[in-house]
Amino acid sequence: GAVVSQHPSWVICKSGTSVKIECRSLDFQATTMFWYRQFPKQSLMLMATSNEGSKATYEQGVEKDKFLINHASLTLSTLTVTSAHPEDSSFYICSAADRVSYNEQFFGPGTRLTVL
Amino acid sequence: AQRVTQPEKLLSVFKGAPVELKCNYSYSGSPELFWYVQYSRQRLQLLLRHISRESIKGFTADLNKGETSFHLKKPFAQEEDSAMYYCALTVTGGGNKLTFGTGTQLKVEL
Repeated sequence: GAVVSQHPSWVICKSGTSVKIECRSLDFQATTMFWYRQFPKQSLMLMATSNEGSKATYEQGVEKDKFLINHASLTLSTLTVTSAHPEDSSFYICSAADRVSYNEQFFGPGTRLTVL
Repeated sequence: AQRVTQPEKLLSVFKGAPVELKCNYSYSGSPELFWYVQYSRQRLQLLLRHISRESIKGFTADLNKGETSFHLKKPFAQEEDSAMYYCALTVTGGGNKLTFGTGTQLKVEL
């Protein structure tokens, strides 16, 4: 089956620093990847849609200058949290859509970000 | 805008009892509905989607357009069904973006 990986699985950083999270589709090409944020015991909230070779589309209320998304290849998208603050601490999850599987989204395991 | 509602945060049933996880949606068009499951310490994974009309792990869900519902059912709950279940939808022309409900934690007790 289609596998999506995320790296790192967890990260702790100081306030004001930037953190990059990678999302890779391991065995399929994903023209579209999605980035979600999940707070404890809450649902997933879509942050942005990332299309290969073009600018990401951000959901309302998501600061594009704070959450930089790059989708440089059909198997890799990155999310960079710039100038992180404690309120950015969360669980970030990516998914990748596989056209062969009728655009089914396959989810990564998530990245736990803690900003001190 | 579309919306997915899962009224129960927690559903506790005994092993062997029937299970019904409720999901209602609001959307004026014809959405595609999904159920995702997240087992403890595992990633989110697709359980079933209404267009495939499959039964996965004994679970079924029927889209009721009149009641705008997509409830998830299983006749006999198993301990391994304990997990977090999310109902979600996509809309035509929405770029495959998923709108998730708030989720229901299913706990199957012995």
